[in-house]
Amino acid sequence: AQTVTQSQPEMSVQEAETVTLSCTYDTSESDYYLFWYKQPPSRQMILVIRQEAYKQQNATENRFSVNFQKAAKSFSLKISDSQLGDAAMYFCAYRSLPHYGGSQGNLIFGKGTKLSVKP
Amino acid sequence: ETGVTQSPTHLIKTRGQQVTLRCSSQSGHNTVSWYQQALGQGPQFIFQYYREEENGRGNFPPRFSGLQFPNYSSELNVNALELDDSALYLCASSQLRAGELFFGEGSRLTVL
Repeated sequence: AQTVTQSQPEMSVQEAETVTLSCTYDTSESDYYLFWYKQPPSRQMILVIRQEAYKQQNATENRFSVNFQKAAKSFSLKISDSQLGDAAMYFCAYRSLPHYGGSQGNLIFGKGTKLSVKP
Repeated sequence: ETGVTQSPTHLIKTRGQQVTLRCSSQSGHNTVSWYQQALGQGPQFIFQYYREEENGRGNFPPRFSGLQFPNYSSELNVNALELDDSALYLCASSQLRAGELFFGEGSRLTVL
């Protein structure tokens, strides 16, 4: 079974600085998706960035980028120029491709990292 | 484009009661899934529906059941509520073979 581990329960960053959130995962599959979701106090889970495992190039979305190390099964999120609105819970998630049997392509989440941004 | 909407946003039930939560999928999405998020935890997969049939289920007992309707909206039903069922219930929609899921704001259930 696949697992996702986020080893940092809480992180803090100064406004305008850079922070990196860590995520490791375990799987025997060769192709899959990885995601970072943000969950502010409003509760809605918002997609931050996605990475397909077959792509060697790291995904980037504006101030957000990932460091995807497939062999090490590591998927960290870097937030540059941190803003007050970045404060939230961040969840790393894994998703099998639908054609892989038992997991049926559902998301498997880590326990989350609470990010605080100091003004 | 209408996003995923859930109702009710908050509700309180007592142990042993039954509850129904509702979800409207994002336009164009044919797959809906439900997740339970306990306080301070990541969401846990309950089940997924495609074409009105359950096509995936997590480690939840049969008293958790669901429906998907022809318009791709969905319901989550929980019978014989237990105190541990208190959680945020998230609905997510997607295309079957797409990557990401799109989530609603959730329904906060408190069981007393």
